[in-house]
Amino acid sequence: KAGVTQTPRYLIKTRGQQVTLSCSPISGHRSVSWYQQTPGQGLQFLFEYFSETQRNKGNFPGRFSGRQFSNSRSEMNVSTLELGDSALYLCASSSNHYGYTFGSGTRLTVV
Amino acid sequence: EDKVVQSPLSLVVHEGDTVTLNCSYEVTNFRSLLWYKQEKKAPTFLFMLTSSGIEKKSGRLSSILDKKELFSILNITATQTGDSAVYLCAVEINSGGGADGLTFGKGTHLIIQP
Repeated sequence: KAGVTQTPRYLIKTRGQQVTLSCSPISGHRSVSWYQQTPGQGLQFLFEYFSETQRNKGNFPGRFSGRQFSNSRSEMNVSTLELGDSALYLCASSSNHYGYTFGSGTRLTVV
Repeated sequence: EDKVVQSPLSLVVHEGDTVTLNCSYEVTNFRSLLWYKQEKKAPTFLFMLTSSGIEKKSGRLSSILDKKELFSILNITATQTGDSAVYLCAVEINSGGGADGLTFGKGTHLIIQP
């Protein structure tokens, strides 16, 4: 069974640009959640999607948005990038709430 | 505001020692508590706990949840250098809609010295 796939693995963007990250969940999983990990703040919840609907959102500015497609693949978008957005972005998929399986993440560097 | 606190934040022990990692939480509508091990990038799943007092075991690792006192512990016996990692505790909230994402603690950075 394939795991959670995140693309791209690495990204370098300049301030003010926008970026789109992709997450393909485990086949059959309908829930995808996104997290930002930084050395100072640790892992912080961004948002969670189930069947194309956002069910929960963390405490992040509106520049962070996401969506989920009918095949459960999800994307997150960050607009007007700031230096502080540099982080490892992780997504996780889950089914029937039996744990969350994480992808390897996208390392975003904003310069 | 939901809160998950792990202690200690870092721990250095010698190979063969037993360690206990702590996780306390203050959340509304608790659903489950999960432990993960993170070595490089992707956190890998260790345990999911939903009921108090029932110990879960996997090899040298075990964990238990106390829903009355709002904490969990993760024990690792006969530690090995391969156990060196950041151990993350996370709590899942039940908002009535199902899986709603995880609130994480800062993690315990465990270093096992040979």
